[in-house]
Amino acid sequence: DGGITQSPKYLFRKEGQNVTLSCEQNLNHDAMYWYRQDPGQGLRLIYYSQIVNDFQKGDIAEGYSVSREKKESFPLTVTSAQKNPTAFYLCASSLSGHPREGYGYTFGSGTRLTVV
Amino acid sequence: RKEVEQDPGPFNVPEGATVAFNCTYSNSASQSFFWYRQDCRKEPKLLMSVYSSGNEDGRFTAQLNRASQYISLLIRDSKLSDSATYLCVVNMKSSASKIIFGSGTRLSIRP
Repeated sequence: DGGITQSPKYLFRKEGQNVTLSCEQNLNHDAMYWYRQDPGQGLRLIYYSQIVNDFQKGDIAEGYSVSREKKESFPLTVTSAQKNPTAFYLCASSLSGHPREGYGYTFGSGTRLTVV
Repeated sequence: RKEVEQDPGPFNVPEGATVAFNCTYSNSASQSFFWYRQDCRKEPKLLMSVYSSGNEDGRFTAQLNRASQYISLLIRDSKLSDSATYLCVVNMKSSASKIIFGSGTRLSIRP
């Protein structure tokens, strides 16, 4: 079955440590996205990529980095520069960079990151 | 003013009731609209797109009012399994960074 796989499901990070969240899709989608969700808030866009080897900053990119070396993979690194990284991180993909009628996002099951 | 606003709820209704909630958006250039469902501590899942003429999928009806800049979701004959948070998503289509998620409306169906 096609879908998006995020790993790990839960991640604990120490202060000052970089961590990388994995996101892999086998839907043959061109566009991939990383969102952050905090309690009681909507999803906020961190980074997105519409094509291999290209990506753009979203609304809250500071303290994060990404790469898109393969169409299927879009890992997110949470660096030590991110001051408040505890959140629920969601990866998504879509057929194109502009979800349109009938074709929305497909989300992974998320990674819960906690700073300890 | 937020670009996409939803009443956070919770809406607490009895099983079998009809419930409706709205989502308002501030940018008249918005072009695509969606409703997502998110269960507690899970990822959002696409419930339905909102078509310009309105659309229905079983017990769910979505409508778009461009003049007043809101979309609505109506759930008929509500089931216990409908309990979730419903997210409104608005896409300006000009760039991926202009896809805005509402913070969601919590719905709780009681027996």
